[in-house]
Amino acid sequence: EVQLVESGGGLVKPGGSLRLSCAASGFTFTNAWMSWVRQAPGKGLEWVGRIKSKTDGGTTDYAALVKGRFSISRDDSKNTLYLQVNSLKTEDTAVYFCTTDRIKALVLGYYYYMEVWGQGTTVTVSS
Amino acid sequence: DIQMTQSPSSVSASVGDRVSITCRASQFINNFLNWYQQKPGKAPELLIYAASTLQTGVPSRFSGSGSGTDFTLTISSLQPEDFATYHCQQSHSTQFTFGPGTIVDSK
Repeated sequence: EVQLVESGGGLVKPGGSLRLSCAASGFTFTNAWMSWVRQAPGKGLEWVGRIKSKTDGGTTDYAALVKGRFSISRDDSKNTLYLQVNSLKTEDTAVYFCTTDRIKALVLGYYYYMEVWGQGTTVTVSS
Repeated sequence: DIQMTQSPSSVSASVGDRVSITCRASQFINNFLNWYQQKPGKAPELLIYAASTLQTGVPSRFSGSGSGTDFTLTISSLQPEDFATYHCQQSHSTQFTFGPGTIVDSK
């Protein structure tokens, strides 16, 4: 069974930093593309960024809102995904989910979706 | 970025009702559209990808349609476990964006 378990959230002051972790099991993590998605209290979902598998280059993409402040990395030896969040603002307060992403080849092209989600870890930015 | 909107923002329905939710993209996204279901306090779950392909294990009462900019999620006969929030998401651009969500609650 695919499992994703996030950790590392907490209360942090504006301007502070945190490193979130996502421990993966039940699938070949090395081959997986992974994303972080967040959800502010009472709001919709917001994609934060993703990292490709190392065999596909291991590159990262970020939402414009977080680019330069957030950084995604992975440790394939530990089956763990990370999100380093720096220069935190009150508007970064949210539940942060990690996801396993899938690219499916169909007739009209390659389709990308977030297939499995972790339960989330809560980041609260407040003075 | 491609903006996603959903209507209605909420709908009240009864078990057995047919429920339809609309999602609109701010520009052409072909059929690069996914739907997720989220229950209170839980993580989202994938329902449909490529606008109309049901994820494995999703009941057949769920269906998706549309292409271009306008999409619909339909629940043919609402079940008690379907009361939830539904989110659409475009994957046409790698700046993935979600709609604001539609709450389906009990009338």
